[in-house]
Amino acid sequence: DAGITQSPRHKVTETGTPVTLRCHQTENHRYMYWYRQDPGHGLRLIHYSYGVKDTDKGEVSDGYSVSRSKTEDFLLTLESATSSQTSVYFCAITRTGSTGELFFGEGSRLTVL
Amino acid sequence: GENVGLHLPTLSVQEGDNSIINCAYSNSASDYFIWYKQESGKGPQFIIDIRSNMDKRQGQRVTVLLNKTVKHLSLQIAATQPGDSAVYFCAESGMDSSYKLIFGSGTRLLVRP
Repeated sequence: DAGITQSPRHKVTETGTPVTLRCHQTENHRYMYWYRQDPGHGLRLIHYSYGVKDTDKGEVSDGYSVSRSKTEDFLLTLESATSSQTSVYFCAITRTGSTGELFFGEGSRLTVL
Repeated sequence: GENVGLHLPTLSVQEGDNSIINCAYSNSASDYFIWYKQESGKGPQFIIDIRSNMDKRQGQRVTVLLNKTVKHLSLQIAATQPGDSAVYFCAESGMDSSYKLIFGSGTRLLVRP
């Protein structure tokens, strides 16, 4: 257990509405990540953070923004949700001093109608 | 762009047999490789990793083999058990400090009783 909590775990929303997913960690790790997972694809990196207020884009960042105002929380925001953003979203952390393996949360399933 | 892929989308094995899951990668600069297991409705779980300066690493019932010449990675599971049924992902990362992982699309392992 990497001490990662994602919320909400399930959400259904309508196209055009804003959505924020929250990732909370209890172990004070520096690096945090948001991935999305879709059928036929592996996990694709959306954004990541390497510290408070330090974030960078991943391979599928269009339509998403992130914020990290505290070490323990990493927020993923869809400013105006689209049906193509229907997916399962996973938050992950890298433990300080590790060789680089990611530890994942349980996922947040988002459906955009 | 660089990507990690898998040869077999589904692998069915008899309980007790050995399983081999294969993965091809295209980025010759990648120096770190990981295998993850994902059960239905859960986040990916770390299984085993290997760095590019090694060609084999063993864990409990699992072995990862790395062939840099042909850019091939494999996961061997000995004495496959029903609890091994899951989707398996390989992932790679490069030398930068962000620990960003690029995932393959996954192989489903089905264990027949």
